[in-house]
Amino acid sequence: SQQGEEDPQALSIQEGENATMNCSYKTSINNLQWYRQNSGRGLVHLILIRSNEREKHSGRLRVTLDTSKKSSSLLITASRAADTASYFCATDERGGGGADGLTFGKGTHLIIQP
Amino acid sequence: GAVVSQHPSRVICKSGTSVKIECRSLDFQATTMFWYRQFPKQSLMLMATSNEGSKATYEQGVEKDKFLINHASLTLSTLTVTSAHPEDSSFYICSAKRSATIGYTFGSGTRLTVV
Repeated sequence: SQQGEEDPQALSIQEGENATMNCSYKTSINNLQWYRQNSGRGLVHLILIRSNEREKHSGRLRVTLDTSKKSSSLLITASRAADTASYFCATDERGGGGADGLTFGKGTHLIIQP
Repeated sequence: GAVVSQHPSRVICKSGTSVKIECRSLDFQATTMFWYRQFPKQSLMLMATSNEGSKATYEQGVEKDKFLINHASLTLSTLTVTSAHPEDSSFYICSAKRSATIGYTFGSGTRLTVV
């Protein structure tokens, strides 16, 4: 079932600006992951943050996790036209034994204007 | 790195026919694979969990007789959409989890169009 809710649903910014996307979830999790999907294509894993972590960086990406609020944010700094895509958060739920699949948020469609 | 290959990438079929989609883990063994469906402009919804050597586990609302899953080896899971109808047209994506400490790897997806 869908548990992640993301906002905004769509975001359009100028190249070079920072883009922030948020995700909320409902259950206890083992970890939360962010993925990128270009139109009509498969998913690309961006970053994974574990439930005992609060912040993680990878290149121009910064992810935060607040388990008390059951929310996460993805920040893309110095955006580029190539960052245009849909971004999804996905949670790996606690107690699932690692074999229950991921629950995806509704996604944010990010458009970077050149 | 872990690679999951999905085939075909696109398929068009007539109503009433069946379509098989393959998902292979190329450089690791996957005892568990997952099948998702994504309708246009929507998110991914987990359809079923494919377990090597045993029956698949289906999510609520997914018809097991319509979406047949076979996971006969540690590197291959197949999804067969039987008696396809136009409403089955969607983007189907598989994924596999290599280990408890590594995230999921996704296939490139299959665009199914039923006419």
